[in-house]
Amino acid sequence: NAGVTQTPKFQVLKTGQSMTLQCAQDMNHEYMSWYRQDPGMGLRLIHYSVGAGITDQGEVPNGYNVSRSTTEDFPLRLLSAAPSQTSVYFCASSYSGVAPGTEAFFGQGTRLTVV
Amino acid sequence: SQELEQSPQSLIVQEGKNLTINCTSSKTLYGLYWYKQKYGEGLIFLMMLQKGGEEKSHEKITAKLDEKKQQSSLHITASQPSHAGIYLCGARAYNTDKLIFGTGTRLQVFP
Repeated sequence: NAGVTQTPKFQVLKTGQSMTLQCAQDMNHEYMSWYRQDPGMGLRLIHYSVGAGITDQGEVPNGYNVSRSTTEDFPLRLLSAAPSQTSVYFCASSYSGVAPGTEAFFGQGTRLTVV
Repeated sequence: SQELEQSPQSLIVQEGKNLTINCTSSKTLYGLYWYKQKYGEGLIFLMMLQKGGEEKSHEKITAKLDEKKQQSSLHITASQPSHAGIYLCGARAYNTDKLIFGTGTRLQVFP
């Protein structure tokens, strides 16, 4: 049982480049989300999805796109990378929304550096 | 919007000492989660609290949710080096589907 799998684990981009961070889960979870973690700022929600075909913005969505064509996958796209997007990115999933009683499972993170 | 504030931001304790981490919400909490993150790794679920006044324990870690459901505390008894890491509280933002997190508390335990 793989849980939540994120790829790549490390990435260096040049300013202006685009890329996709991959996230896949094999637990048949409806709810998936992306966070970024910066020093001293905890986890900030970028985008989330409550099911296939449904996505919504979190606290810091600018510069990022998402789509949810299948239950298993929730890729995060950086349209034109900027140094301010240097961060550690985490993908999470949970069974049914975030109803009480449903903890989220996290991937191992992607460390992104934009130069 | 709802915010989760953790205190302290950083904590350095000697092995064997007790410690407490607090998580305060600007609005009522519906499902409060505690996670631990080892440096450079993902988040590990510790426990979840739902009801006002609820308390849960796992090994040497005890978490409580106050009666008003706006504050939670995480208490570690007789700390060990294995307790070192970043502790984060998370909760469903009021009247939304969003799972939000606090600012995190970095714990170091020295021998």
